[in-house]
Amino acid sequence: EAQVTQNPRYLITVTGKKLTVTCSQNMNHEYMSWYRQDPGLGLRQIYYSMNVEVTDKGDVPEGYKVSRKEKRNFPLILESPSPNQTSLYFCASSLYPGRNTEAFFGQGTRLTVV
Amino acid sequence: DQQVKQNSPSLSVQEGRISILNCDYTNSMFDYFLWYKKYPAEGPTFLISISSIKDKNEDGRFTVFLNKSAKHLSLHIVPSQPGDSAVYFCAASPMEYGNKLVFGAGTILRVKS
Repeated sequence: EAQVTQNPRYLITVTGKKLTVTCSQNMNHEYMSWYRQDPGLGLRQIYYSMNVEVTDKGDVPEGYKVSRKEKRNFPLILESPSPNQTSLYFCASSLYPGRNTEAFFGQGTRLTVV
Repeated sequence: DQQVKQNSPSLSVQEGRISILNCDYTNSMFDYFLWYKKYPAEGPTFLISISSIKDKNEDGRFTVFLNKSAKHLSLHIVPSQPGDSAVYFCAASPMEYGNKLVFGAGTILRVKS
């Protein structure tokens, strides 16, 4: 089954404790991205990757890091989480970094930073 | 400043009637538009899209209309079904940024049976 898998689905952590949210896709997609969803703001792009070893900032990259060492994986790293990073996070992938291709989303990770 | 706006946070419609969800955008560089549907505890799923060279695209019960001069698009669902109850996100893609998607805040659609 074609899918984007995120882990964990739910996470509660304390301020400053490093964490990683994993994302894996099995569709051989080149383009992957991370979004956060906040009430009244919709989904905002954090980082994206056009291919292996190619990553770039989205609209709200502060406080986040990513890596793309393999095509299928695109982890999101919070080196020192803060309460304003409490949000619902989605990983997405698309077939290629071209135009007019739909994005496939993971089920989401609800992160709470206390 | 939000470039894609969905001004109605929620919409309630009777089963069998038409649902119309609206979306406005401000960036003239957007040339491809998409609608995503999201159920609770799931990720968004692609619903329908339209290129700026068209003014209408239809897929079964779903039709998207694009009015470029007004920078406005709408999603029509006819007839509405209870299973259509979800959050609907409008998204736009700027021509110079490949797969980048700019999302609206979403509209919660409730279809009453």
